[in-house]
Amino acid sequence: AQSVTQLDSHVSVSEGTPVLLRCNYSSSYSPSLFWYVQHPNKGLQLLLKYTSAATLVKGINGFEAEFKKSETSFHLTKPSAHMSDAAEYFCVVSEGNQGGKLIFGQGTELSVKP
Amino acid sequence: DAGVTQSPTHLIKTRGQQVTLRCSPKSGHDTVSWYQQALGQGPQFIFQYYEEEERQRGNFPDRFSGHQFPNYSSELNVNALLLGDSALYLCASSLAGDYGYTFGSGTRLTVV
Repeated sequence: AQSVTQLDSHVSVSEGTPVLLRCNYSSSYSPSLFWYVQHPNKGLQLLLKYTSAATLVKGINGFEAEFKKSETSFHLTKPSAHMSDAAEYFCVVSEGNQGGKLIFGQGTELSVKP
Repeated sequence: DAGVTQSPTHLIKTRGQQVTLRCSPKSGHDTVSWYQQALGQGPQFIFQYYEEEERQRGNFPDRFSGHQFPNYSSELNVNALLLGDSALYLCASSLAGDYGYTFGSGTRLTVV
């Protein structure tokens, strides 16, 4: 069975400093992985996705993630945090073929201090 | 171009009642999935509809049922509501065979 584990339930950074949100996955075959962001009282927005192409994936708003098979990791990074980045972030794996169900991690709440 | 539209945005129901939530997919999408997000948790997959049939189902009881209409819109029905059914219910649409899921803003269901 596929699963994802987000290693931090809460991360706090200062504005202008780097962001690192950690995610490990478990999959019996080559996974498709995603990062979604959820602002308060909003739906989920796709930040980026990995679907077995380049291992370094660039997303929206300056975020990127690197797929590391040897470490079974898919950590999300951003060089410089902005106040508007404060939100809940979910690491997600897709089960099975394209269009299959999404399996979400528990989420990491990112706080950005001025 | 409208994204995924869900209605209502908020709903309060009493234990034992039944509820129907609605979802209109993004234009061009033919597949609808439903997720339940309890407070402080990640969303959990309920089921997915394609060509008016339930294609895949998560670990939810039969009290949870759904329907997809010819125009691809969908309904989620929950019978015999329990307090534990209180959650944000999210609808996601996609094109069959594609990873491009679009989520709606959800329906916040409170069971009292």
